Amino acid sequence: AQSVTQLDSQVPVFEEAPVELRCNYSSSVSVYLFWYVQYPNQGLQLLLKYLSGSTLVKGINGFEAEFNKSQTSFHLRKPSVHISDTAEYFCAVIVYGGATNKLIFGTGTLLAVQP
Amino acid sequence: NAGVTQTPKFRILKIGQSMTLQCTQDMNHNYMYWYRQDPGMGLKLIYYSVGAGITDKGEVPNGYNVSRSTTEDFPLRLELAAPSQTSVYFCASSSWPGQGVSGYEQYFGPGTRLTVT
Repeated sequence: AQSVTQLDSQVPVFEEAPVELRCNYSSSVSVYLFWYVQYPNQGLQLLLKYLSGSTLVKGINGFEAEFNKSQTSFHLRKPSVHISDTAEYFCAVIVYGGATNKLIFGTGTLLAVQP
Repeated sequence: NAGVTQTPKFRILKIGQSMTLQCTQDMNHNYMYWYRQDPGMGLKLIYYSVGAGITDKGEVPNGYNVSRSTTEDFPLRLELAAPSQTSVYFCASSSWPGQGVSGYEQYFGPGTRLTVT
């Protein structure tokens, strides 16, 4: 069965510092990969996605992620964070070729940006 | 274009009561989903639907029921509420996977926070 692992449940970082949120997936077949962001008391919003093509994917709010097939990873990065980036970030995967389009989520990483 | 809407936003139920969580989307999406979110657990799929009249179980379906009579609506029914169903519930929708790259993006509603005491 496919699974998604987010190794860090919480990442504290100072404002304007760089950040990396880690995501690894387990699948022997091709997958589509996503990062979603959830601001406090809100629903989930898509940050970025990798379906095919360039392994470096750029998303909204200055975030980017790199798909690494050999390491089965899809880490999220931002070179300089703002207070407004404080939120929970979820990595998710869909198995390519599935008819159901079901997302499998990681457990989330809380990004806490401090002044 | 409202996207995905959910009602109510908050609800407190007593053990054994029942209720229906409403979900409506105005994007003409074929696929709709119900997730629950518990602290530290991420989101777990309860039920999903690939079109009107077609539903199937997800990872955690016990204690819930769904129906899909129209493309727009996908209500989630809780029968005999239990404390273990205290959670935040999210509805989502997407177009079908063959519809290009946009077919894989799921759009989420704002959630319903349910407490069962």
